[in-house]
Order: sequence, then structure tokens, then C-alpha cells
Amino acid sequence: SQKIEQNSEALNIQEGKTATLTCNYTNYSPAYLQWYRQDPGRGPVFLLLIRENEKEKRKERLKVTFDTTLKQSLFHITASQPADSATYLCALEGTGYSTLTFGKGTMLLVSP
Amino acid sequence: DTEVTQTPKHLVMGMTNKKSLKCEQHMGHRAMYWYKQKAKKPPELMFVYSYEKLSINESVPSRFSPECPNSSLLNLHLHALQPEDSALYLCASSQEPGFGSYEQYFGPGTRLTVT
Repeated sequence: SQKIEQNSEALNIQEGKTATLTCNYTNYSPAYLQWYRQDPGRGPVFLLLIRENEKEKRKERLKVTFDTTLKQSLFHITASQPADSATYLCALEGTGYSTLTFGKGTMLLVSP
Repeated sequence: DTEVTQTPKHLVMGMTNKKSLKCEQHMGHRAMYWYKQKAKKPPELMFVYSYEKLSINESVPSRFSPECPNSSLLNLHLHALQPEDSALYLCASSQEPGFGSYEQYFGPGTRLTVT
């Protein structure tokens, strides 16, 4: 069955550094991959969508890559700030492309 | 207006109560979703409405009953819930029901506690 793994439950970095979060998937080939940010007790907020034929996408300090050979997406936040502290979720189409399935998320903590 | 609103923000109900959660969007989106999220877990899809018709029910128990009165509104009727149903219930919408190809806009959620 399909499986989505985000590299770690938590990631601690210092302000100003680049945060890199990983999303790996197995047993299927999604055409789209999305990244969301979720703050405690709030709904997820959409950040970026990348298609299988796009290698990289950028939005301000955010960059997403999508390697369909490795079955992996990397999510980068450059010049990180304490306000970037949140849980980041990757999401892919489910099997049969009938649902959007979320990974468990990585909690990012940016220290001043 | 790119907002999805949900009411109430918090709800405490007994196992014999009947209550409803409400979700509203005015972005003209044609797909609306209900998700359930437990602490430290990802959102889990419950129901999908496409063009006001129920298109996906992810084997959700019948004590949860969705309703889509019109293209802007989505309700979730609750009856005879169990304590394990306590969770954050999220509503979302997207432009079209294309799942992976359209971003989803989430509401702030309703924190439900079943006693």
C-alpha cells in the first residue's frame, strides 16, 4: 500500500539557517505534491504545489523540489525565522487519485 | 474572500447528544471536504462533496452524517458519538475536486470533546 514518510518528527535549527524537510513516498506515483503549514490547534495552510514534470518551485523564501525517480520531495526554508516555527505537512494524491493523503508532518522549531 | 469559516470553535457533547458542525466558503469552490485530526496526527479524510454531491465517504461510521445544503455550505451532523471521536474537525474546500491538482483551503476547525 502507499506510504508517505516525513524524515523526522521534529527539526531544530537556528535563526538565519536553511531548514530542509524531507518527504518520501513509496508504492505509487502521484502527479502532484503539496506542502502545507499547520500551527497548533489551527487548520493547515497551503504553501506550494509542484507537478511531476516540475523539478523545482519557489515562492519567496520557500523552495520545493520533486524527484520522481527517488520518490522524494525536499522543502527548504531559507533565512529561517522564529515565526517559521510550525508543523509542515506534505500531501499527495492517494491511490486511485481519489484522495489527498497527508504525511505525519515535521515540527520545525527555529530558535533566535 | 479566501476564507473558510467553521462554527462552533469548540464543542463539548455527551454521548447521547445530537449536534451539528457548520462550514462556509464564498470562494465559489465546487469541492468541499471534512477531515478529522487527532493530536500529533495528520488530517484524515472523512467525506468529499463534489458539486454538492457526496462523492467519497471514507468508511466513516454512520454516527457522522454530512450534508451539503448548497454550494457554499457544508454541515456535519453528529449523533451518539463515542469519546474516541474527540478530535479537531476540519473543513476544507478547493476550486475543483481534482484533489492533488488543486490546493485546499482549510477552516480553523472545531475542537470536539465527547464526554
